[in-house]
Amino acid sequence: QVQLVESGGGVVQPGRSLRLSCAASGFNFSGNGMHWVRQAPGKGLEWVAVISYDGSNKYYGDSVKGRFTISRDISKNTLYLQMNSLRAEDTAVYYCAKDRGRISYIFDSWGQGTLVTVTS
Amino acid sequence: EIVLTQSPGTLSLSPGERATLSCRASQSVSSSYLAWYQQKPGQAPRLLIYAASSRATGIPDRFSGSGSGTDFTLTISRLEPEDFAVYYCQQYGSSPRTFGQGTKVEIK
Repeated sequence: QVQLVESGGGVVQPGRSLRLSCAASGFNFSGNGMHWVRQAPGKGLEWVAVISYDGSNKYYGDSVKGRFTISRDISKNTLYLQMNSLRAEDTAVYYCAKDRGRISYIFDSWGQGTLVTVTS
Repeated sequence: EIVLTQSPGTLSLSPGERATLSCRASQSVSSSYLAWYQQKPGQAPRLLIYAASSRATGIPDRFSGSGSGTDFTLTISRLEPEDFAVYYCQQYGSSPRTFGQGTKVEIK
């Protein structure tokens, strides 16, 4: 079955960087788009970024555009999120999510999430 | 940006009762590109419904979705103990893709 395991979260100061990883298994990683979705403590869900099945297309939410970069390594079945210039409002649980297709924005499998806390 | 407003904020019901959750969009959702997710405390969301009315793999048939345009509904025909959770709607027809703020279904 599909398994997504995030790692890399932690406590970081404002303005610093962090890279999240998501190890995928149980499906053809090169056949589906992949997303990052975040959830601030006690709040709702916010889509962050998507990368197409082949890595050729990447799109970002307005709140992270220019600061975050999504990427994938097909050989390692791993999705990444490079987060630069972090702000307090980036504090959230970050989930990686599998797209139901190439890029449909339907999230049919989710990881357990990794917590990022931005604080001085 | 399409704003999704879910109501009620909290729904207090007993096991066995019927739950009706509403999701209203500020603009028409193209091609009924609307999904519903369930999230339990400390867990990741789970896809229930996509394309407004199609159940995701493995989702029991007590969950059903309906609606089009700006008004959508998630119905749980008879609540099971494991159904008490927060439910989110999401539109994926227009950029940016957005979520509603959630409806909590709690045990009465």
